[in-house]
Amino acid sequence: QKEVEQDPGPLSVPEGAIVSLNCTYSNSAFQYFMWYRQYSRKGPELLMYTYSSGNKEDGRFTAQVDKSSKYISLFIRDSQPSDSATYLCAMTPRDYGQNFVFGPGTRLSVLP
Amino acid sequence: DSGVTQTPKHLITATGQRVTLRCSPRSGDLSVYWYQQSLDQGLQFLIQYYNGEERAKGNILERFSAQQFPDLHSELNLSSLELGDSALYFCASSVGQLVYNEQFFGPGTRLTVL
Repeated sequence: QKEVEQDPGPLSVPEGAIVSLNCTYSNSAFQYFMWYRQYSRKGPELLMYTYSSGNKEDGRFTAQVDKSSKYISLFIRDSQPSDSATYLCAMTPRDYGQNFVFGPGTRLSVLP
Repeated sequence: DSGVTQTPKHLITATGQRVTLRCSPRSGDLSVYWYQQSLDQGLQFLIQYYNGEERAKGNILERFSAQQFPDLHSELNLSSLELGDSALYFCASSVGQLVYNEQFFGPGTRLTVL
C-alpha cells in the first residue's frame, strides 16, 4: 500500500459543478497538508496549505483535513474550464527539514 | 512564469553516463528543492538546501547528489544513469525553509536515458 493514495481519475465535470478531490494516507505522523495544481507540461503550483485537522477556505477552494480518518479533501466551487489540471496532495510530518510525500494526482477536466 | 529557471530544458543521454541539471532560484529565495516526476512513481521529493546547507533528504539515490552554491543556484548531479532515471526533474525555491514558505516550481528538465 502506498503511503498516500489518490484516485487518478480522470474526473470530468460540467462547468459550474462542485468538485471534490480526496487523498487518504497511512502515516499518522503527517501534520502539514498541501494541495498543488499542475497544468500539462508545467511545474506544480501551491493552491492550499493546512496544518492539522480542520477547514480552510480561499476563494472557490476549500481544504479539509480529518486526521482521525487520515483523509483530506479539496473542494472547488463553481468550477471553470481553467481548473482543468492534475491536482496533487502532499503532506509532511514536520515544518522543518520536511520530507514531502505526494499523492499520485487526480486529473480533472471541467467541460464548458 | 515562477521566476525559477532550470537548464537544460531537455537532455537525452545514454545509460551509464553522468549529467548535471542546473537551477536558479527566484531572487531573494534561500531554499532550493529538487523533485523527480515520472509516470510510475509520481512526484517525489529528492533533497532540500537552505542557504548552501542541506536541510532535508527524501528518496534520493546514492548515484544522485546535489549542492547549492554561494550565489544560491543549485545543481543536481545524476551519475551511472539507468533507463529508470528518465523523468521530469523539477527545482523549486522558497524564501524560507519552513513548510509554510510557498515553493515556486521551475519549468523542469526532461531527462531521457536511452
